[in-house]
Amino acid sequence: SYELSQPPSVSVSPGQTASITCSGDSMGDKFACWYQQKPGQSPLLVIYQDNKRPSGIPERFSGSNSGNTATLTISGTQAMDEADYYCQTWDTRTAGVVFGGGTKLTVL
Amino acid sequence: EVQLLESGGGLVQPGGSLRLSCAASGFTFSSYAMAWVRQAPGKGLEWVSSLSSSGGYTYYADSVKGRFTISRDNSKNTLFLHMNTLRAEDTAVYYCAKDKTAGATNPKFDFWGQGSLVRVSS
Repeated sequence: SYELSQPPSVSVSPGQTASITCSGDSMGDKFACWYQQKPGQSPLLVIYQDNKRPSGIPERFSGSNSGNTATLTISGTQAMDEADYYCQTWDTRTAGVVFGGGTKLTVL
Repeated sequence: EVQLLESGGGLVQPGGSLRLSCAASGFTFSSYAMAWVRQAPGKGLEWVSSLSSSGGYTYYADSVKGRFTISRDNSKNTLFLHMNTLRAEDTAVYYCAKDKTAGATNPKFDFWGQGSLVRVSS
């Protein structure tokens, strides 16, 4: 089965840039989505189709995808961005949705 | 305003059955694919099943294939998940999620419900 790997945790200082990676075999040939989930809340779509932002998502959230890695970048990270982040893609071979294991972003 | 309201969760014994419902409002339900995603306590997101806008195409995770059935009633704006032969490892919060498109492949889940807790225990 297709697997997506994310680092368990990433730390960033306020105002700095945070990068969260999502690795999978030929991930660049697929579309990546990213979700933010804060404690006790439902997930929120922050990036879809590699680099598109849904309405209402701040411009500091951006995405890229090439080779084997998709990356979520948060520029000028704010305390409110502290959350778990999950990448997601569609595996055509198994006809299924795949989520990464999630990355806990700490802003300190 | 898009709203997704799950119901039907609860405590069930191993081997038992349960049906989850997701009442949708605020958008044209019949135009969008829908899905169920679950999250075990303290764990990450796990996709369960997806369904195209017409209901003609369904997809399942291997972990639930043959035990769970996804369906929808577009006349009542409601999504369902019928769960049979439940196991302890099915214990999770089950989220209903709306796709941005009609087809269930290459999904982008742009709205999520608040979740319904399913506990499988004797």
